[in-house]
Amino acid sequence: DAGITQSPRHKVTETGTPVTLRCHQTENHRYMYWYRQDPGHGLRLIHYSYGVKDTDKGEVSDGYSVSRSKTEDFLLTLESATSSQTSVYFCAISESGLAAPFADTQYFGPGTRLTVL
Amino acid sequence: RKEVEQDPGPFNVPEGATVAFNCTYSNSASQSFFWYRQDCRKEPKLLMSVYSSGNEDGRFTAQLNRASQYISLLIRDSKLSDSATYLCVVTLSSGDKLTFGTGTRLAVRP
Repeated sequence: DAGITQSPRHKVTETGTPVTLRCHQTENHRYMYWYRQDPGHGLRLIHYSYGVKDTDKGEVSDGYSVSRSKTEDFLLTLESATSSQTSVYFCAISESGLAAPFADTQYFGPGTRLTVL
Repeated sequence: RKEVEQDPGPFNVPEGATVAFNCTYSNSASQSFFWYRQDCRKEPKLLMSVYSSGNEDGRFTAQLNRASQYISLLIRDSKLSDSATYLCVVTLSSGDKLTFGTGTRLAVRP
């Protein structure tokens, strides 16, 4: 299994509080991603990073920010959590990018279950 | 219309059965195709890539039909351990983004 950890694995918080989720990898992969997974939706990309300090928005980036100061760590921050951000959050990594036709394999972390009350 | 559509199932089959899932995609510019497997409350894991010529990995066969814009996954001789959700995933020719279907749930019974 790829060396990806996420912390915390479970979190319950209240509306309006800031929350930071951490993704840590030991594979030295260049690309890192944050997704959320909700019933009735496929995994949806929040933000991704293609190198240290290089990040870009995904399709559901509103209300989220990210930072990557080291190759191995990718942080996802909810500045002011809302109930609509209750979800399962997955981090993923890939050695190279996903642009076809040579889209690389993504490896996913174990996920963080976030509940916003 | 969703970019990637899958029948959510569940498909409930006995051990040893053959089962097939289809997935349709809306963007004709889609270039790369994958099947991922996700066990309950676990992370998705790559099952197999889907190539234009079709490909096989043991009991699993994936096919791509570009004209009709669908991919399929065939599982032969189903095992209890095949019970999971199967995610169809596509990517475009540009941009670092995978598009995931909502998944098809398979339950294999003894």
